[in-house]
Amino acid sequence: QSALTQPASVSGSPGQSITISCTGTSSDVGSYNLVSWFQHHPGKAPILMIYEVSKRPSGVSNRFSGSKSGNTASLTISGLQAEDETDYYCCSYAVGSSYVFGTGTKVTVL
Amino acid sequence: EVQLVESGGGLVQPGRSLRLSCTASGFIFGDYAMSWVRQAPGKGLEWVGFIRSKTYGGTTEYAAPVKGRFTISRDDSKSIAYLQMNSLKTEDTAVYFCTRLSSSWHDYWGQGTLVTVSS
Repeated sequence: QSALTQPASVSGSPGQSITISCTGTSSDVGSYNLVSWFQHHPGKAPILMIYEVSKRPSGVSNRFSGSKSGNTASLTISGLQAEDETDYYCCSYAVGSSYVFGTGTKVTVL
Repeated sequence: EVQLVESGGGLVQPGRSLRLSCTASGFIFGDYAMSWVRQAPGKGLEWVGFIRSKTYGGTTEYAAPVKGRFTISRDDSKSIAYLQMNSLKTEDTAVYFCTRLSSSWHDYWGQGTLVTVSS
């Protein structure tokens, strides 16, 4: 199972919106509405930001939203803030009762 | 409050074994599947495997790179999940995270424990 493809980096100015893509295949993203997104500050525990493509856990800001089209899922961060600067990973359930993570995206707030 | 605490990491020689533990609190451990995810230095997250709850047979699934070498088990009476790692390779060097699986997503993570495989 190959890793899902994410851009290595995405940047934006405070207040802007950015979108991180997550491209998989028909064996993972394309077949299941079980895409999740994580925020990961290095050295800390990753935090679930989005699950089941577009659902937000309680406590997660509504500035974070998710969507999916075909084999590609996306995470949009609106109203970008300095505290959003860190790494983000997508994850999908996949055939064979497995999981596959994305390659990771570093978000920079300019 | 859900808490997951990994332990057991350290330096180990190639070919040797190591067992990691994940001690859980703040929820009914036996009701959930538990998973392990790792992150090699400078790399992204990689799923290692998971164990279902006893309700679903307590069976396990593994990623291809670790299948046959790693074994996940659980002790519901102690709220601990284990990752037994045998025949370790240098490429197994990583921070290993324990996660709780809620339905089919990893909803809570521990802070991880570092495993270094080196001679």
